Amino acid sequence: GAVVSQHPSWVICKSGTSVKIECRSLDFQATTMFWYRQFPKQSLMLMATSNEGSKATYEQGVEKDKFLINHASLTLSTLTVTSAHPEDSSFYICSARVRTGGSYNEQFFGPGTRLTVL
Amino acid sequence: AQSVTQPDIHITVSEGASLELRCNYSYGATPYLFWYVQSPGQGLQLLLKYFSGDTLVQGIKGFEAEFKRSQSSFNLRKPSVHWSDAAEYFCAGFFGNEKLTFGTGTRLTIIP
Repeated sequence: GAVVSQHPSWVICKSGTSVKIECRSLDFQATTMFWYRQFPKQSLMLMATSNEGSKATYEQGVEKDKFLINHASLTLSTLTVTSAHPEDSSFYICSARVRTGGSYNEQFFGPGTRLTVL
Repeated sequence: AQSVTQPDIHITVSEGASLELRCNYSYGATPYLFWYVQSPGQGLQLLLKYFSGDTLVQGIKGFEAEFKRSQSSFNLRKPSVHWSDAAEYFCAGFFGNEKLTFGTGTRLTIIP
């Protein structure tokens, strides 16, 4: 099956610093990537959808200037949390979609990145 | 609006017992439906999916799910659970708007 990787798997940073999380599709080209946020014992909340070569589409309530998403290639998307604060501490999961031409294109999920802001 | 509901926040079953996790959806047509499993600190793994056709779908790890249009349900079942099945389970639906909608999840605890 298709593999999606994330790096780093966990990161601890000081308040006010910026953190970059990478999401890569290892064995397929992903025209669309998704970024989710998950609070402890809660479901996944979609933050944004990114298509290769175009600007990300953010969900309502997500600050686009705080969560910068760059989908630079068909295999790489990055999420940068700028000026991180403790309330940004969370589990961030990316997902990549394979385009097969059907009415639904399957999504594959990365292992997640645990961000802790001190 | 489209939605996915998982009524049970937490379920505890004995090892070897049968399991059923409930999932209901709200949508005017038949959505694509999925069950994912998430182990602690991990990403999501797809257990099974329903697009159309046979309403009983088989998945990995011995799981199956049955789509019931009349009840707007897509319940996940396993005849005999193993301790390794302890995890968080998410039902999700694709309602044609390019976004997966997740339920709130059911945490499964297995007791020896």
